[in-house]
Amino acid sequence: DIQMTQSPSSLSASVGDRVTITCRASQGISNYLAWFQQKPGKAPKSLIYAATSLQSAVPSKFSGSGSGTDFTLTISSLQPEDFATYYCQQYHSYPYTFGQGTKLEIK
Amino acid sequence: QLQLQESGPGLVKPSETLSLTCTVSGASISSSSYYWGWIRQPPGKGLEWIGSIYYTGSTYYNPSLKSRVIISVDMPNNQFSLELSSATAPDTAVYYCVRIPMGLGIDYWGQGALVTVSS
Repeated sequence: DIQMTQSPSSLSASVGDRVTITCRASQGISNYLAWFQQKPGKAPKSLIYAATSLQSAVPSKFSGSGSGTDFTLTISSLQPEDFATYYCQQYHSYPYTFGQGTKLEIK
Repeated sequence: QLQLQESGPGLVKPSETLSLTCTVSGASISSSSYYWGWIRQPPGKGLEWIGSIYYTGSTYYNPSLKSRVIISVDMPNNQFSLELSSATAPDTAVYYCVRIPMGLGIDYWGQGALVTVSS
């Protein structure tokens, strides 16, 4: 199985900040990488697919980059509704696997 | 507006079969553009891929669960289903059904269904 490792596991930031979350794959996955946002008690929401493409209706404050094994999710101008847990997922090879999550908290 | 809705028992006894159905509205499950899948999340933990199905009936299952999982599709009712046999306490989780555009990851999630395995 491809292991997905996110860093950091948790992150404190202030409203208005820009933050970056990193996801590393244990082997190359080209750009078959997605990002999800999950708020407590809710289903995940799809943010990004193909490493850099925004899902429909996702604001441009979210951006993704990377290819191969190293990927990043950047969120600019943090707002209260952005504080959540973020997951990366590879869909290059079965079984599709997720990172352990990064919890973004208000400082 | 696409919607996916999980349904099924919220409590399953150990050794019994956990069964859930996902009803799709706003899209046809027989579309050649999508796979349909199941993902679970134990309380307070991360996400685990269970498996997926294409409208033709072709399936992929996570090897860690393969011996106990069956995913099937019911095109007349626009539904797909999950069966997980020999359930134990570690199978307690929120189960999500999802839509998977080919080559594009997951775009839509159901709201999730909590299933508790307990006597």
